[in-house]
Formats: sequence, structure tokens, C-alpha cells
Amino acid sequence: ETGVTQTPRHLVMGMTNKKSLKCEQHLGHNAMYWYKQSAKKPLELMFVYSLEERVENNSVPSRFSPECPNSSHLFLHLHTLQPEDSALYLCASSQDIVSGVFYNEQFFGPGTRLTVL
Amino acid sequence: AQSVTQLGSHVSVSEGALVLLRCNYSSSVPPYLFWYVQYPNQGLQLLLKYTTGATLVKGINGFEAEFKKSETSFHLTKPSAHMSDAAEYFCAVSGGNYQLIWGAGTKLIIKP
Repeated sequence: ETGVTQTPRHLVMGMTNKKSLKCEQHLGHNAMYWYKQSAKKPLELMFVYSLEERVENNSVPSRFSPECPNSSHLFLHLHTLQPEDSALYLCASSQDIVSGVFYNEQFFGPGTRLTVL
Repeated sequence: AQSVTQLGSHVSVSEGALVLLRCNYSSSVPPYLFWYVQYPNQGLQLLLKYTTGATLVKGINGFEAEFKKSETSFHLTKPSAHMSDAAEYFCAVSGGNYQLIWGAGTKLIIKP
């Protein structure tokens, strides 16, 4: 595997289900990100991890819970979601964040298309 | 606070014609500026970026963008459109605080 991979690619879940999204990067990067992409809206940054520590949490509802066990893996645990949470969830990675400034390229995975019924 | 505005959610050009995708930003600090492209069913891929130095930046696939501080713009151009350029294009600005601020995207449609 190369680059950034995400599984599953598609997920349909009910509002009472618990599921997890997985992201893996094979690039030797130290920073990883979760984004939400909804139709006709700008990309929304959800979480940022640098060296396995969470450095940003953009007021994301607690029904989304991230986990970064090491610099290559990132999870997004989902529970009691709402229909408005249906979106494409993108994972990305980059070299180190320097002083909180993004100047390094972010490499994106293909995303998980989530549908909440 | 930073913000990004992309003019036109859809832009349609004929194959072989000039491509111009507009991006205006606001930033209280010297910006780093990016253009990403997203093909159907794929993640985003960096086209080009401006950090410092030369204001005309060349990227992949024949695209280039010019940073104009006085106009707070970073428009993306390509002299001759190809069918394979059909995709969605995103402009983004970084000013700090672990945030990349993204535009809403512009879908580029290429007419044969």
C-alpha cells in the first residue's frame, strides 16, 4: 500500500450504531488530520494530531471521537450520529507542523462516504 | 481571521480554451496559499502552493497561479484545457493556528 488509505470506502449506519473509520499513512509523516466534506460547503477540519498528540479540535460534537495510536494510524469512532453527519470523511497526513502553520503539502486519502439513516 | 472566496461554483470551458479559476483570500498575516484538485471518488491532491519568493507559481499538469498581494488574489490558470482537467478545484490559505482555511470549491467542466 502507498500513500494514505482509508477503510471502509462506504458506510451506511443507523443513528444508534457504533462504527469506526480507519486511516493509515505509509509516508512517514508526523501529522494526521480528519476532515468532513459536505456538498456545497468548504472542507471542515475536525481534528489534527501531531506526533500522536491532538493539537486541534474544532468544536466537533462528542459523537465523533478520534484516536491516534501511532503516527501511521488514525481512527474516527462514531456513535449516535445524526442524518446531518452524512458526508465524505477525509483523512490526510503531512510532515511536521511547524509553529501551527500549514506550509507542507497534505496528502489525502480517498475518503469514506458515510450515510446516516 | 482568514477566509477564502472562490468565485463560481461551476466553470465551463471548451477543450483547448483558457482555464481561469478565481480565488480571493483575506488574511491578517502573510499567507501561504494552496490549490488542490479532487477527481471523482478520490481525495484531494496538491496542484501548487505559494509560500514565499516568486509570485508566479507553476504546478502540475500545466497549471499555474499568481499571488497578487494588492488584490488579495491567487487565481489558477491553464492556457489550454484538456478533458482530463475536469475535476473540482479548491483554494486554501494558511495563516497559523493549525488551520488551513478552504474555499467552497469550483467544479471545472470541459466541453468537447
